[in-house]
Amino acid sequence: AQSVTQLDSHVSVSEGTPVLLRCNYSSSYSPSLFWYVQHPNKGLQLLLKYTSAATLVKGINGFEAEFKKSETSFHLTKPSAHMSDAAEYFCVRGGYQKVTFGTGTKLQVIP
Amino acid sequence: EAGVAQSPRYKIIEKRQSVAFWCNPISGHATLYWYQQILGQGPKLLIQFQNNGVVDDSQLPKDRFSAERLKGVDSTLKIQPAKLEDSAVYLCASSPGSIIYGYTFGSGTRLTVV
Repeated sequence: AQSVTQLDSHVSVSEGTPVLLRCNYSSSYSPSLFWYVQHPNKGLQLLLKYTSAATLVKGINGFEAEFKKSETSFHLTKPSAHMSDAAEYFCVRGGYQKVTFGTGTKLQVIP
Repeated sequence: EAGVAQSPRYKIIEKRQSVAFWCNPISGHATLYWYQQILGQGPKLLIQFQNNGVVDDSQLPKDRFSAERLKGVDSTLKIQPAKLEDSAVYLCASSPGSIIYGYTFGSGTRLTVV
């Protein structure tokens, strides 16, 4: 079965330090992959997407992700965390089959 | 570009009552999705429409949930009768077509069943 695994349910970083949120996928072909962010009591917002073009994808708010086929990973990074980045992040697999959400990673940013 | 509109934002009902949610997708988006997000969990797909036809409703509890998309535009999701475990946020999303383009979510409807 096609799946998406977010390796950490909670990540805590200090403001100004790098962010790394990990996502691995299983697929027999190159999927479409997305990262969404959900702030408390808000809807889901698309951060970035990979659709088999460039493997390094830049998104909004300084986030980026790198598609690594050899590692079946699509980790989300940001060089310097801001307090406003505190939210829940979902890795999502799309394509021509059923859309699959990861279980989410809650990012805490410590002042 | 206007976003995906959902109403109401909040709803509180007693168990065994019925409730309906409304979604207006982005103009021209052929595909519409309803998701259920229980507190602390990721969204779960309930139903996917392509224009006004159902593509996937395998996780829709059809004994109590129903959904329709009239004329391939607006959609309503109904629960009848509601159970306590239906308390969740119901999210609507739309996309131009294939999911490779990503999709846009509405703000959701928070349902509390008491």
